[in-house]
Amino acid sequence: GIQVEQSPPDLILQEGANSTLRCNFSDSVNNLQWFHQNPWGQLINLFYIPSGTKQNGRLSATTVATERYSLLYISSSQTTDSGVYFCAVASNFGNEKLTFGTGTRLTIIP
Amino acid sequence: DAGVTQSPTHLIKTRGQHVTLRCSPISGHKSVSWYQQVLGQGPQFIFQYYEKEERGRGNFPDRFSARQFPNYSSELNVNALLLGDSALYLCASSFSGQVNEKLFFGSGTQLSVL
Repeated sequence: GIQVEQSPPDLILQEGANSTLRCNFSDSVNNLQWFHQNPWGQLINLFYIPSGTKQNGRLSATTVATERYSLLYISSSQTTDSGVYFCAVASNFGNEKLTFGTGTRLTIIP
Repeated sequence: DAGVTQSPTHLIKTRGQHVTLRCSPISGHKSVSWYQQVLGQGPQFIFQYYEKEERGRGNFPDRFSARQFPNYSSELNVNALLLGDSALYLCASSFSGQVNEKLFFGSGTQLSVL
């Protein structure tokens, strides 16, 4: 099946800093989503981005499908940005099963 | 509009018992999927249902089963619980379950098996 790798596994930043999270995947995808999992376990949709670039406030994401990677940018980090960020993909064949990466744990220090 | 709702939020069971977890999708969504998230890992796909039919199944033993009702809500059942079944169980819904659709997740049910 498709493989998803995220880097870095852990990231500790001062409030106000910028960060870039990376997701590499091993096959062509029809679906790529970025999620933020809060301390209570809720997976919050950030972006649906199988290709191209999107922005939402301080967050933006870019997926280069031909090179099989996606980047999530967080600017001017706030403590509420802390949590685990997951990239999840679904390949071009089959149902909507999402394969998740192992996540990046982001900690923002005041 | 309500999001994906799951019940119960927390559950404690002992080994060998049976458990039923429930999920109501977003209004208008007809596809429901279940995922298991073990501590420190990403969620893993268990089942997908669309219009009461199973569309996909992950690599889980037959002790795991699910069903979808005419109102599109769903139940996940786990028999003969093992310690390793302790996890956060997440339900996700989408409009028609196509591979290129956005999934929306509930807050999950935290299952502890003692």
